[in-house]
Amino acid sequence: GQNIDQPTEMTATEGAIVQINCTYQTSGFNGLFWYQQHAGEAPTFLSYNVLDGLEEKGRFSSFLSRSKGYSYLLLKELQMKDSASYLCAVMDSNYQLIWGAGTKLIIKP
Amino acid sequence: IAGITQAPTSQILAAGRRMTLRCTQDMRHNAMYWYRQDLGLGLRLIHYSNTAGTTGKGEVPDGYSVSRANTDDFPLTLASAVPSQTSVYFCASSEAPTDTQYFGPGTRLTVL
Repeated sequence: GQNIDQPTEMTATEGAIVQINCTYQTSGFNGLFWYQQHAGEAPTFLSYNVLDGLEEKGRFSSFLSRSKGYSYLLLKELQMKDSASYLCAVMDSNYQLIWGAGTKLIIKP
Repeated sequence: IAGITQAPTSQILAAGRRMTLRCTQDMRHNAMYWYRQDLGLGLRLIHYSNTAGTTGKGEVPDGYSVSRANTDDFPLTLASAVPSQTSVYFCASSEAPTDTQYFGPGTRLTVL
């Protein structure tokens, strides 16, 4: 079967750095996506990785290792507004997104 | 503002009733999707459409139907609602099936 694993919840301090991990087992691989979802709102696109390595976009970076079936999202200089759920999704061989259950990130002052 | 709209925002429905959730996008995206999101679970694909005139089944299609008569609209119909269909429903679209998906604001549906 297809499976995406990510921690259910993480807590971090304002101004700090946090790394949210995602491991996957899917039928084929056509890229990995990270989305942010604030409570009661729609998911919004953060990043996309299809090749191994690090993609940096401002305070957010995303890393991919296809051989290990592993990705992480790194958030730097945390702000209170970063409190949200972070969703990892893999595009499989049928070009359908398989979603993790999401990681709820709590930021404390 | 360009994007995806969904209607209604929320709905309480009696079991056995028929319900259509509406989704419209103005980005001229070819592909559209319907997901449901339940607490503790990842988003699950219900139905999708890679281009106007075509539809396909996702992971959890039973009890739902869709149509794609034109590029902009992708309605989702529950023929006879059941309590297990209580969920938040998101519509999404992408330029092509391989591209990033963008989401509408969601419809919160409660079936009693």
